[in-house]
Amino acid sequence: SQQGEEDPQALSIQEGENATMNCSYKTSINNLQWYRQNSGRGLVHLILIRSNEREKHSGRLRVTLDTSKKSSSLLITASRAADTASYFCATATNDYKLSFGAGTTVTVRA
Amino acid sequence: GAGVSQSPRYKVAKRGQDVALRCDPISGHVSLFWYQQALGQGPEFLTYFQNEAQLDKSGLPSDRFFAERPEGSVSTLKIQRTQQEDSAVYLCASLVSAQETQYFGPGTRLLVL
Repeated sequence: SQQGEEDPQALSIQEGENATMNCSYKTSINNLQWYRQNSGRGLVHLILIRSNEREKHSGRLRVTLDTSKKSSSLLITASRAADTASYFCATATNDYKLSFGAGTTVTVRA
Repeated sequence: GAGVSQSPRYKVAKRGQDVALRCDPISGHVSLFWYQQALGQGPEFLTYFQNEAQLDKSGLPSDRFFAERPEGSVSTLKIQRTQQEDSAVYLCASLVSAQETQYFGPGTRLLVL
């Protein structure tokens, strides 16, 4: 069973626009992580936010975490064609086990 | 090596056949994980090793699934008497003890006919 749910399931945007996707989860967490997966490839870690943090930035990525609502959002600014991928949130509830959502498929149109 | 490697990258098996999937973690990484990713879904946890010890196998779907890491480095996931529902991508990940970021391999895509 999967802890997280991403919303929307799919997103299509024009190059240069921002992309926002959301993740909701069910239980208390230690941290929440976002991963990217290009078609047919493994997952690449993007960013980690701890349960006592509210916002984090990394390059064109901005992640927020609201533990009272058990939700997180990932914003990709000024999107590029290379951002086309599936994005997954994963929650960590102990030292090691990650629980993934079903992912958001992002398509960036040139 | 530079990253986590997995072999084979693709495997086609006839129903009932046994398969073995290999994972080479990043050198020095103590922890190793196996995940199963069905088409259109996120990865689901299968099992976890710390060095050679299998500390959690709660995600293995049945007793046909078996994982080992005898020397604390390379790991093998074995599936006996494969079924069509075993068709998925099997991902391996490793991390350095006390760090939180898991590094994933490219996966093995298993198709059971």
